[in-house]
Amino acid sequence: DQQVKQNSPSLSVQEGRISILNCDYTNSMFDYFLWYKKYPAEGPTFLISISSIKDKNEDGRFTVFLNKSAKHLSLHIVPSQPGDSAVYFCAAKATSGTYKYIFGTGTRLKVLA
Amino acid sequence: DAGVTQSPTHLIKTRGQQVTLRCSPKSGHDTVSWYQQALGQGPQFIFQYYEEEERQRGNFPDRFSGHQFPNYSSELNVNALLLGDSALYLCASSFPQGRYNEQFFGPGTRLTVL
Repeated sequence: DQQVKQNSPSLSVQEGRISILNCDYTNSMFDYFLWYKKYPAEGPTFLISISSIKDKNEDGRFTVFLNKSAKHLSLHIVPSQPGDSAVYFCAAKATSGTYKYIFGTGTRLKVLA
Repeated sequence: DAGVTQSPTHLIKTRGQQVTLRCSPKSGHDTVSWYQQALGQGPQFIFQYYEEEERQRGNFPDRFSGHQFPNYSSELNVNALLLGDSALYLCASSFPQGRYNEQFFGPGTRLTVL
């Protein structure tokens, strides 16, 4: 049972344009969400997080949006740069009763120069 | 400031053998989690250690065991290796203060079981 889903395995975007990566979840107990970026031969790197008390969080070129009613979050990267090319994972957690993060299967982003 | 370190980087074992992977957490962190990432999948939670005790466990068999030392470093042991245990094993550290705490990952150990 995949509780966190990233339905797009890959995405290609032109440099300078917006990249939108999507993530859906099924467990209504999840109330903390994170995005990680992973380059080959490296561990995932934390990018940005959002708690369920917010619907938007920004950090520089990265913005995460949370739609609790739809159980959907998205990561926007504006403007996209070639160095953003990587695999992006969303992860979710319930902040009470568990220490376990559930990860999606990842979306491979390719930013074309 | 050293981040999360893992050793070895790569490991090749045969079926039935046992393996030990090691992790040193980021400075200031006292909680260590282990994940298994199979090809094309996201990381899957194995277990988390805090205060030298296993605090939570994912859906992995007892062949997977761990340990945390007083300096917060940790080991993951896998016994009776199966071909399906071939994966990238990731260690992540965090500190437990507050409700919201990111996990910082190491580069991983690539285990191949032949």
